Amino acid sequence: EADIYQTPRYLVIGTGKKITLECSQTMGHDKMYWYQQDPGMELHLIHYSYGVNSTEKGDLSSESTVSRIRTEHFPLTLESARPSHTSQYLCASRSRDKDGDGYTFGSGTRLTVV
Amino acid sequence: QKEVEQDPGPLSVPEGAIVSLNCTYSNSAFQYFMWYRQYSRKGPELLMYTYSSGNKEDGRFTAQVDKSSKYISLFIRDSQPSDSATYLCAVIQGAQKLVFGQGTRLTINP
Repeated sequence: EADIYQTPRYLVIGTGKKITLECSQTMGHDKMYWYQQDPGMELHLIHYSYGVNSTEKGDLSSESTVSRIRTEHFPLTLESARPSHTSQYLCASRSRDKDGDGYTFGSGTRLTVV
Repeated sequence: QKEVEQDPGPLSVPEGAIVSLNCTYSNSAFQYFMWYRQYSRKGPELLMYTYSSGNKEDGRFTAQVDKSSKYISLFIRDSQPSDSATYLCAVIQGAQKLVFGQGTRLTINP
């Protein structure tokens, strides 16, 4: 049973639409992350959070924004979707006290912008 | 130069073979090294992690780190068709952000 949930699993949307990708975890983890993964390519960190009201941009520039109002919830928003945003978006969380492990990934949202 | 380099493959081997997957990294400050397995249309799942140079074994899987050459490896013994997946190496950088290699797509043929 997954401890981190992403919805929707698949999304096809038109250019210019606003979308929010949901990510929720039930483990009480403080640290949460959003990664972007194109087919056959590595994961790139686009946003992360150390806890409530903490958000940081990752290594890969992204036009998306995130919020962290509750520990368990870390949604990602695209104000105006474009075809270049087509990708897989993976959410992950990490427990505060573990060393070297504790990253748990969701199953991802596969976004297609037409 | 990428921080973590990994041959994307694809790699195809017969069932029962020993599989060797490898990555190199550029920053000697990296401390934690991980291997993730990702099945098609799924998120990555942690397979193994190591902290120091040397070997770590878990069942049919052995993770190896050589910090002097900045080289990490994953060995799979008695490979099974269910091992077919993409394997990603990863390191922890700075504020505990994972940096991934490109992933190696592995197919075990029955």
